[in-house]
Amino acid sequence: GNSVTQMEGPVTLSEEAFLTINCTYTATGYPSLFWYVQYPGEGLQLLLKATKADDKGSNKGFEATYRKETTSFHLEKGSVQVSDSAVYFCALSGAAGNKLTFGGGTRVLVKP
Amino acid sequence: DVKVTQSSRYLVKRTGEKVFLECVQDMDHENMFWYRQDPGLGLRLIYFSYDVKMKEKGDIPEGYSVSREKKERFSLILESASTNQTSMYLCASSLLVSGELFFGEGSRLTVL
Repeated sequence: GNSVTQMEGPVTLSEEAFLTINCTYTATGYPSLFWYVQYPGEGLQLLLKATKADDKGSNKGFEATYRKETTSFHLEKGSVQVSDSAVYFCALSGAAGNKLTFGGGTRVLVKP
Repeated sequence: DVKVTQSSRYLVKRTGEKVFLECVQDMDHENMFWYRQDPGLGLRLIYFSYDVKMKEKGDIPEGYSVSREKKERFSLILESASTNQTSMYLCASSLLVSGELFFGEGSRLTVL
């Protein structure tokens, strides 16, 4: 079956540091890949997505590239802010296109 | 904006009680989902629905049931709550063929 593995947190950074959160997946076929973010006390919201190999999703300074050869979708941001403190979830869609499988989440804490 | 509303943010129930968690979405989405969120385990799918009166089991349906009598409303039912059902429950909705889920803010259930 489908599965998503992402690095465990928490990840603690200083403001303006570079952030990378690793995500690898196992899936049949050609899934779409997503990053969701959950700010404290809120539900999840879509951060970015990529629907085919070599696509790059980007939003709010975050980027991730769909790498089929390494089955990865790592999230990066060049200069984090305190407001980026949140839990980040990597996810993939199955063959039906709308049922998502999530990774375990990575908590990120950015200190001033 | 899409809005997914969950009826209760916090609930405390006793073992053996019947629990109803309600979710309403206002964007005419066909799909609705119930996930539970536990630290280190990410989000796990309990049940989902593609249409009114239609339901399908997710990855962890045991101990839960659902009801979808109207398109906008999807209820999660715990017939006899147990302490291992203490968790954060997240409702989500999406269009029929779309990977983007819209989440509610979550319902934190404590079973004593």
